Amino acid sequence: AQSVTQPDIHITVSEGASLELRCNYSYGATPYLFWYVQSPGQGLQLLLKYFSGDTLVQGIKGFEAEFKRSQSSFNLRKPSVHWSDAAEYFCAVGGGNEKLTFGTGTRLTIIP
Amino acid sequence: NAGVTQTPKFQVLKTGQSMTLQCAQDMNHEYMSWYRQDPGMGLRLIHYSVGAGITDQGEVPNGYNVSRSTTEDFPLRLLSAAPSQTSVYFCASSFSLRGEQFFGPGTRLTVL
Repeated sequence: AQSVTQPDIHITVSEGASLELRCNYSYGATPYLFWYVQSPGQGLQLLLKYFSGDTLVQGIKGFEAEFKRSQSSFNLRKPSVHWSDAAEYFCAVGGGNEKLTFGTGTRLTIIP
Repeated sequence: NAGVTQTPKFQVLKTGQSMTLQCAQDMNHEYMSWYRQDPGMGLRLIHYSVGAGITDQGEVPNGYNVSRSTTEDFPLRLLSAAPSQTSVYFCASSFSLRGEQFFGPGTRLTVL
């Protein structure tokens, strides 16, 4: 069965610093991979997705993620975070006839 | 285009009461899903539907019923609420089971 691991429950970053959120997946074939963001009290919004092709994908709000098959990873990055990036971030994997499986999330705190 | 809508936003129930959480989408998506979100557990799939008249169980279906009489609507029923069902519930729709999910704003349910 497919699975997703987000090893960092909570990350604190200074405003303007770079960010990397980790995501590792388990899936038998080429996966579909997603990053979603959830602001407090809100639903989830898609940041970016990988289906095939270029392994570096660009998303909204200046985020990017890189699919590394050899490491079974799909880490999310941003070169310079803004206070408005404080939220919870979820990685998800799908593919074939499988439904999406979500990770447990990483809560991002931004300090001035 | 309202996307995915959910009602109510908040609800308090007593143990044993029943209620229906409403979900509607106007994007003509065939696939709709219900998730619950609990701290530290990410999103867990309750039930899903691949089209009108077709529903199936997800990861945590016990205590919940669904039906899909139209493409647009996918209500979630709690027949006899229990405190363990205190959670935030999200409805989502998508073009495919493994593709990008569009989420509603959520319903925060408390069972006393």
